[in-house]
Amino acid sequence: GQQLNQSPQSMFIQEGEDVSMNCTSSSIFNTWLWYKQDPGEGPVLLIALYKAGELTSNGRLTAQFGITRKDSFLNISASIPSDVGIYFCAGQEGFGNEKLTFGTGTRLTIIP
Amino acid sequence: GAVVSQHPSWVICKSGTSVKIECRSLDFQATTMFWYRQFPKQSLMLMATSNEGSKATYEQGVEKDKFLINHASLTLSTLTVTSAHPEDSSFYICSARVTAGDSNQPQHFGDGTRLSIL
Repeated sequence: GQQLNQSPQSMFIQEGEDVSMNCTSSSIFNTWLWYKQDPGEGPVLLIALYKAGELTSNGRLTAQFGITRKDSFLNISASIPSDVGIYFCAGQEGFGNEKLTFGTGTRLTIIP
Repeated sequence: GAVVSQHPSWVICKSGTSVKIECRSLDFQATTMFWYRQFPKQSLMLMATSNEGSKATYEQGVEKDKFLINHASLTLSTLTVTSAHPEDSSFYICSARVTAGDSNQPQHFGDGTRLSIL
C-alpha cells in the first residue's frame, strides 16, 4: 500500500537540542496526524491537524499542516530523554474515508 | 479518555493454530475499528477496516479467509488469524475512532499484540 515519505529516517541528537522532521505525499490529505511509538507499544497521538496552514502546539511539540495539503512537519524543542522513540506521520483523506496512511517513520535517539 | 485496550499482549503458538486478538474501546463507542500489521523496523500497514454489525473491508492483498474479523458490538472487534504460520508472525495493532457527530476525531491505538508462530 501507499506510504508517506518521512525524513530523516533516523536522528541522533544530544539532550536539549531541537528536532525537526517532515512528511511528504504525492497526494492530498485533509487531516494530518503525528504519532509516537515506543518499542513494543502502539502509537500514541501527539498532534492532529485539520486545516491547511494550521500550526498547532502541544507542549514542546509544534506541527504544521502544509498549505498544499501534501506535507506536514513536526518540531520538538529542547529534547529530553523520554522523547526517544519512533515518530510517524499519518494522513487521512477524510470526507467519509477514515483510513490512515502512515509515513515511514523517524527514529529519534538521544546521545548521552 | 479514548482508551483502546488490546488483548493478549503477546502470543507464542505452534504453526497451524488459530489465534484470536481482541480490541476494546474502554470509554467510548466505535462503529469503526481498524487492524494494522507492523513488521520489525517497518511502518504500520492497514489490513482491514472493521465495521460494527457488518462485514469488514479488507485492503488489497490481505486474505479475508485468513484474517477473520468480527465487530459484534460498539466496543469490541476481534481479529482471528486462522491456521497461523511463521510468516504471520508480526505485531498486530488495532485502532478505534470515537463515534460522534464531529467528524474530526482521530484514531486511538491499542498497545498491540506480538504474535510469534513457531
